[in-house]
Amino acid sequence: GQNIDQPTEMTATEGAIVQINCTYQTSGFNGLFWYQQHAGEAPTFLSYNVLDGLEEKGRFSSFLSRSKGYSYLLLKELQMKDSASYLCAVGDSNYQLIWGAGTKLIIKP
Amino acid sequence: IAGITQAPTSQILAAGRRMTLRCTQDMRHNAMYWYRQDLGLGLRLIHYSNTAGTTGKGEVPDGYSVSRANTDDFPLTLASAVPSQTSVYFCASSYGGATDTQYFGPGTRLTVL
Repeated sequence: GQNIDQPTEMTATEGAIVQINCTYQTSGFNGLFWYQQHAGEAPTFLSYNVLDGLEEKGRFSSFLSRSKGYSYLLLKELQMKDSASYLCAVGDSNYQLIWGAGTKLIIKP
Repeated sequence: IAGITQAPTSQILAAGRRMTLRCTQDMRHNAMYWYRQDLGLGLRLIHYSNTAGTTGKGEVPDGYSVSRANTDDFPLTLASAVPSQTSVYFCASSYGGATDTQYFGPGTRLTVL
């Protein structure tokens, strides 16, 4: 079966750095997405990785290792507004997205 | 309209009733999707449409139907609602297929009693 694993919840301190991991087992691979979802709102796109390595976008970076079936989202200089759920999604061999359950990130002052 | 809209925002429905959730996008995206999101579970694809006039079944299609008469609209119908269909429903669209960036509507919170 296809599976995406993320931690259910993480806590971090304002101004710090946090890494959210995602491991996946899918039939084929057609890209990995990270979306951010604030409570009661819709998911919004954060990043896309299709090749191995690190993609940096401001305070957020996303890493991919296809051979390990592993990705992480790195958030630097955490702000209170970063409190949200972070969803990992992988494109499978049928070009459909398989979604993880999301990681709820709690930022404390 | 800017982006993708859904209606209603929320709805309480008696079991057995028919309900249509509306979704409209003005981005001229080819593909559209319906997801449900339940606590502790990831987004689950109900139905999708890669282009106007075509639809396909996702992971959890039973009890739901869709149509795609034109590019902009993608309504989701519950023919006879059951309590297990209580969920938050998100419509999304993308220019290409599912592995293009998807843009989500604000969601419809549906409660079936």
